[in-house]
Amino acid sequence: KQEVTQIPAALSVPEGENLVLNCSFTDSAIYNLQWFRQDPGKGLTSLLLIQSSQREQTSGRLNASLDKSSGRSTLYIAASQPGDSATYLCAVKKAGGTSYGKLTFGQGTILTVHP
Amino acid sequence: NAGVMQNPRHLVRRRGQEARLRCSPMKGHSHVYWYRQLPEEGLKFMVYLQKENIIDESGMPKERFSAEFPKEGPSILRIQQVVRGDSAAYFCASSPKGAVGTEAFFGQGTRLTVV
Repeated sequence: KQEVTQIPAALSVPEGENLVLNCSFTDSAIYNLQWFRQDPGKGLTSLLLIQSSQREQTSGRLNASLDKSSGRSTLYIAASQPGDSATYLCAVKKAGGTSYGKLTFGQGTILTVHP
Repeated sequence: NAGVMQNPRHLVRRRGQEARLRCSPMKGHSHVYWYRQLPEEGLKFMVYLQKENIIDESGMPKERFSAEFPKEGPSILRIQQVVRGDSAAYFCASSPKGAVGTEAFFGQGTRLTVV
């Protein structure tokens, strides 16, 4: 059974800092890994999608890496801003079987960036 | 192209009533997934449907919960005889047919409160 763990559970940093969020998963048989952002009381916004054959993806100040063999991904946020404050979720998509597209989520990292 | 549309956004039901949650996938998407986010918990997979077929319902409680995705119209998640423990945010995601490795797109969710 796939399990996804995110560390830390919460993070508070001053504006301008670079930071790293960690995600680990127990079953390396994945199609891809996706990082989401969730604001309080809101839905999920997709940030980055990394296919299992890829090592990293970048979008603006965000960079996500994937080490499939070791079951790890990191989300790097450069020059953090108060607007980055949200819960960041990591999710992996299972490969094979009948559950195509089923995502397994981590518990999330609650990020607070203070001015 | 509108995103995944869920309604209602907020739903209040008394214990014992029925709750019906609707999800209209993105245009051209024929795969629908439902997830539940309980307070202070991560998102958990409930059910995966294609048009007129339930593909995987392994995450859905055996009693009181049902889901459908008819040939015409939105996908419906139905909860009969709701209890306080059903209070949660219910999210729907969609993806295109035959594109298992693609990005998952989520709706804004329906927040169900059972009083």
